[in-house]
Amino acid sequence: AQSVTQLDSQVPVFEEAPVELRCNYSSSVSVYLFWYVQYPNQGLQLLLKYLSGSTLVKGINGFEAEFNKSQTSFHLRKPSVHISDTAEYFCAVTFSYGQNFVFGPGTRLSVLP
Amino acid sequence: EAGVVQSPRYKIIEKKQPVAFWCNPISGHNTLYWYRQNLGQGPELLIRYENEEAVDDSQLPKDRFSAERLKGVDSTLKIQPAELGDSAVYLCASSSLAGSPGGTDTQYFGPGTRLTVL
Repeated sequence: AQSVTQLDSQVPVFEEAPVELRCNYSSSVSVYLFWYVQYPNQGLQLLLKYLSGSTLVKGINGFEAEFNKSQTSFHLRKPSVHISDTAEYFCAVTFSYGQNFVFGPGTRLSVLP
Repeated sequence: EAGVVQSPRYKIIEKKQPVAFWCNPISGHNTLYWYRQNLGQGPELLIRYENEEAVDDSQLPKDRFSAERLKGVDSTLKIQPAELGDSAVYLCASSSLAGSPGGTDTQYFGPGTRLTVL
């Protein structure tokens, strides 16, 4: 069965420090990968996506992610976080064009002053 | 461009009562999704529509849940009767499979309806 793992349920980090949120998936076929952010009491907003091409993907708000096929990972990174980045982050994967997304359980990023 | 609209934003009901959620997707998006998000978890798909056809409802508890998307635009998700375990946020999303490969299949989410069953 398709699955997405986000090993860190909570990540506290100080403001202006770098952060990496981990995402691993299980698949032996081609995938499309996404990171979404959810602020309190809001819906999910797309941060970035990998469909094909360059394995380093840049998204909004200074985030980037790198697709690593051999490690089946798609970790999200930001070199310097802000208080406003405090939110829940979800990794999602779809295994073929037009098919359903499978979401990870989420990682709560808390940026501390 | 308006985003995905959902109403109501919050709903509190007693168990065994019926409840309905409404979603209006982004104009031109032919694919519509209903998800349930339990506290501290990622969204889980309930049903996916392509235009007015439900193409995947395998995760929809059909004994109490129903959905419709008449005319292939807005959609309604209903629970009757509601149970305590139905308390969750119900998210609607839409996407368009048309366009360039770079625009493939991004899902745009509404703000959700937070349901509390007492």
